[in-house]
Amino acid sequence: NAGVTQTPKFRVLKTGQSMTLLCAQDMNHEYMYWYRQDPGMGLRLIHYSVGEGTTAKGEVPDGYNVSRLKKQNFLLGLESAAPSQTSVYFCASSYSILALYQPQHFGDGTRLSIL
Amino acid sequence: GDSVTQMEGPVTLSEEAFLTINCTYTATGYPSLFWYVQYPGEGLQLLLKATKADDKGSNKGFEATYRKETTSFHLEKGSVQVSDSAVYFCALLPDSNYQLIWGAGTKLIIKP
Repeated sequence: NAGVTQTPKFRVLKTGQSMTLLCAQDMNHEYMYWYRQDPGMGLRLIHYSVGEGTTAKGEVPDGYNVSRLKKQNFLLGLESAAPSQTSVYFCASSYSILALYQPQHFGDGTRLSIL
Repeated sequence: GDSVTQMEGPVTLSEEAFLTINCTYTATGYPSLFWYVQYPGEGLQLLLKATKADDKGSNKGFEATYRKETTSFHLEKGSVQVSDSAVYFCALLPDSNYQLIWGAGTKLIIKP
């Protein structure tokens, strides 16, 4: 079972460059999430989606855009990368937005460095 | 606002030692509480959860009890193994919205 797959696993960018992180899940989950993980801090929600064609802002959305054109894919874009966006990015999915009843399934993460 | 505070790491123990990782929270109402674990190079996995006061979550020898009077959800294990080395995250789901609130994580290192 693949679960949640993130690509790429590592990437180094120069300031101002753009890139897209891909998240794919094969569990037919409605809900998908993008988090960033920084040293000494908990995960912070960037954007999330409650279904195909929908997206919503999380706690730290600035500098990022997302798209959910297909139910199984959730893309995170950086239009003009900044050093402050150096982080580890995690994608997650769940059957229900109520994590209580359906724990979120996480990908293995993408380590992104902005020089 | 709602928040989760975990003990700072790393926590270093010898194999078979007793483990406690402290987690306290601030929240209104009746949140649900979770422990997630992140093994090296992997994503997070749900370890255990508790949905109401005095509930005890347990999994893989780990336990945590939801203590509303002390607003705590400490993670314990009686005898740790090298394979338990990981980062442990405490998280809270407020009863007023659907976004998990995460602690900063505690790195656990178990030496043989």
